[in-house]
Amino acid sequence: KAGVTQTPRYLIKTRGQQVTLSCSPISGHRSVSWYQQTPGQGLQFLFEYFSETQRNKGNFPGRFSGRQFSNSRSEMNVSTLELGDSALYLCASSLRGASSTDTQYFGPGTRLTVL
Amino acid sequence: AQKITQTQPGMFVQEKEAVTLDCTYDTSDQSYGLFWYKQPSSGEMIFLIYQGSYDEQNATEGRYSLNFQKARKSANLVISASQLGDSAMYFCAMREGLIQGGKLIFGQGTELSVKP
Repeated sequence: KAGVTQTPRYLIKTRGQQVTLSCSPISGHRSVSWYQQTPGQGLQFLFEYFSETQRNKGNFPGRFSGRQFSNSRSEMNVSTLELGDSALYLCASSLRGASSTDTQYFGPGTRLTVL
Repeated sequence: AQKITQTQPGMFVQEKEAVTLDCTYDTSDQSYGLFWYKQPSSGEMIFLIYQGSYDEQNATEGRYSLNFQKARKSANLVISASQLGDSAMYFCAMREGLIQGGKLIFGQGTELSVKP
């Protein structure tokens, strides 16, 4: 079974631009979560989608948004990029994401650099 | 308040020896899950092992085992017979049962270096 895939793997943008990252979950997984990883703040939860609905959201500004499609693929968008948005963005999928036993499997990440 | 604490920023271990990575957690939920992930320099987070709060036995997966002490709120990862390929960052994470929507809370990580 194929793992979680993320595209693109690397991105370089300038301040003020916007960016869209894509995530394809493991086949059969319906929950997709997004995380931001920076050296200073570590791994922080952005949001989670299940059946095209956002079920949970982390403490990030409204510039960060996401969506999920009917095939469970997900995208996240960051508008008006700031230097502090430079990070590794990780996507994770799980079967349902509905219980503490549901294991999340991660993709390789998208490394975003904002200049 | 820090919910997951990993007190060892970096550790060294000799190849073929065992190593324990510490993790303590804080939650008021009765139902929760604890996870360990490995992150090599390539960046991908690799799932290693899971322990549920109601599991009476410590979890094991090959060379990985989890020393779960519920009363002390600790979930230490034990890697037996370390290999050079085990050099990586290791993260402890918790999923609280009462929160919907797949939120994992991560510790700051421990960087493990395996010496030949």
